Amino acid sequence: GAVVSQHPSWVICKSGTSVKIECRSLDFQATTMFWYRQFPKQSLMLMATSNEGSKATYEQGVEKDKFLINHASLTLSTLTVTSAHPEDSSFYICSARPPWGYEQFFGPGTRLTVL
Amino acid sequence: QKEVEQNSGPLSVPEGAIASLNCTYSDRGSQSFFWYRQYSGKSPELIMFIYSNGDKEDGRFTAQLNKASQYVSLLIRDSQPSDSATYLCAVSYGNNRLAFGKGNQVVVIP
Repeated sequence: GAVVSQHPSWVICKSGTSVKIECRSLDFQATTMFWYRQFPKQSLMLMATSNEGSKATYEQGVEKDKFLINHASLTLSTLTVTSAHPEDSSFYICSARPPWGYEQFFGPGTRLTVL
Repeated sequence: QKEVEQNSGPLSVPEGAIASLNCTYSDRGSQSFFWYRQYSGKSPELIMFIYSNGDKEDGRFTAQLNKASQYVSLLIRDSQPSDSATYLCAVSYGNNRLAFGKGNQVVVIP
């Protein structure tokens, strides 16, 4: 159990376009999902906390108008990178917290390259 | 975010030996502690979690927690080449968020 999927696994886009990343908990309902970004050789940086049915809570320094998060159901959260630029190129990873514990289970990640 | 320190450089251990990883954290209010393994190019995978002071064993892995010293460690016994990865220490803080350390790279030499 505790499987989290992400789609797409990688995406290449042109500067100025928007990219949507989906995160799904496959075998449990997740009231809370999290979005992270990881640059090469660095650790995970939390971008935002996504709660079903409410607005996401963004970490300090993360532009909420640039990184749109929607948590439409108990099993789906989406991250949209709007007007992407080369500096947004990174590894984006979502996680979900199951109702039975405090641990987070991670999706496989989405590698975004903005040309 | 809260501070989570993993200061050791890459750790090379011979196959079959014990790998020892350490982590310190700044928030005395943290209640939950996690070790994740991350292979190159992949996302983190949960190995262990520990909530109470003392030791917790799961197979070849043992997590140790000392809240008074704000210290958590991970021991990997009988290290295997497949254990070669980066190990991330994570500590909980407000609203179920996790703060991650920079990670320790472990290389198991056959």
